[in-house]
Amino acid sequence: NAGVTQTPKFQVLKTGQSMTLQCAQDMNHNSMYWYRQDPGMGLRLIYYSASEGTTDKGEVPNGYNVSRLNKREFSLRLESAAPSQTSVYFCASTDLVADTQYFGPGTRLTVL
Amino acid sequence: SQQGEEDPQALSIQEGENATMNCSYKTSINNLQWYRQNSGRGLVHLILIRSNEREKHSGRLRVTLDTSKKSSSLLITASRAADTASYFCATFKAAGNKLTFGGGTRVLVKP
Repeated sequence: NAGVTQTPKFQVLKTGQSMTLQCAQDMNHNSMYWYRQDPGMGLRLIYYSASEGTTDKGEVPNGYNVSRLNKREFSLRLESAAPSQTSVYFCASTDLVADTQYFGPGTRLTVL
Repeated sequence: SQQGEEDPQALSIQEGENATMNCSYKTSINNLQWYRQNSGRGLVHLILIRSNEREKHSGRLRVTLDTSKKSSSLLITASRAADTASYFCATFKAAGNKLTFGGGTRVLVKP
């Protein structure tokens, strides 16, 4: 039982490049989330998926797109990376019975 | 904007002392949760307190919730060097099924 996994762990992009961050969970959770965390700050919600086949915007969705590929996987795409998107990205999934979230280890992204 | 705001932003204590941090929020909630983040890692859930609860314990952790003041506190008793981490409160509203995190309190426990 790996919990929530994210790939890659680190990534450096040039301005304008695109990339997809991958997230998968093996806990059979319905809801999944993408957050970003800037230095010294809390997490801000980018997008979330309450269930397979649905996605909704969070607090800071601009510049991102998501795909809920199936119940296990939820990907985050940056179509044209900007330096302002330099951050650590966390994926999480929710156990609805307990309302608690389980987090992946994060992806550290630098956009030059 | 963040629903929860932690106070203080940073805390430095000696091993064995208690650490207390507070969280204030703005709107009604279903529950409030506390998470810990070790440097460079993802967040780990510590404890959840529901809106109809006033106090909850888990090991060396004690959480209180005052819904009339829209505030919560997390107490870590007999702190250890391994408790050094950032601690975040997060509020949950059933409508929307999502958590809103505060900015966190950085705790340093000196051996």
